[in-house]
Amino acid sequence: DTGVSQDPRHKITKRGQNVTFRCDPISEHNRLYWYRQTLGQGPEFLTYFQNEAQLEKSRLLSDRFSAERPKGSFSTLEIQRTEQGDSAMYLCASSPLVSSSNEQFFGPGTRLTVL
Amino acid sequence: QKEVEQNSGPLSVPEGAIASLNCTYSDRVSQSFFWYRQYSGKSPELIMSIYSNGDKEDGRFTAQLNKASQYVSLLIRDSQPSDSATYLCAVNIGGFQKLVFGTGTRLLVSP
Repeated sequence: DTGVSQDPRHKITKRGQNVTFRCDPISEHNRLYWYRQTLGQGPEFLTYFQNEAQLEKSRLLSDRFSAERPKGSFSTLEIQRTEQGDSAMYLCASSPLVSSSNEQFFGPGTRLTVL
Repeated sequence: QKEVEQNSGPLSVPEGAIASLNCTYSDRVSQSFFWYRQYSGKSPELIMSIYSNGDKEDGRFTAQLNKASQYVSLLIRDSQPSDSATYLCAVNIGGFQKLVFGTGTRLLVSP
């Protein structure tokens, strides 16, 4: 399977703990995106990387959230001091740099539950 | 006004009928428009993209774009029960790479 992969698929944590999620984009896709989706809502943009550079970041993103893509391949999203409001599906997507269409392909997501 | 608006539904259609899903957006400079299908508990799956005014057909799906009216729609012909899902409209807003999504329209196709 050469699609976007995410790990873990499910994470249950206690309030106040730190969590880290991983995303592996489609091979050779230079662009990588993180979104968050809660029940009944569409995905909400968090941040965007082109290769290793973080080029866009949502103004709504708390400073408890940080994302990295150190070698321009996989990316990690860390949430520090989790809160119950962080419970959501965290989605990663990728798209090829050469495409002017910006078609984004999503991974299966990581479902986070904060108790 | 929300940046991307969709009727949440549910939209109920009988098997074999045409399902029509609609979306409006607020940013006049938007250039790229997408429809995603999302089954319950799964991630969004890209089914159509459209960039210029008019119609774009792919199998049973037709996307329609009217930039003057800031309106994009998705038609599903010969609807099947397996088409029952939430359909998300997504738009590039403000020239940024991020997609802005509507809340989705839930489609129910009855046998």
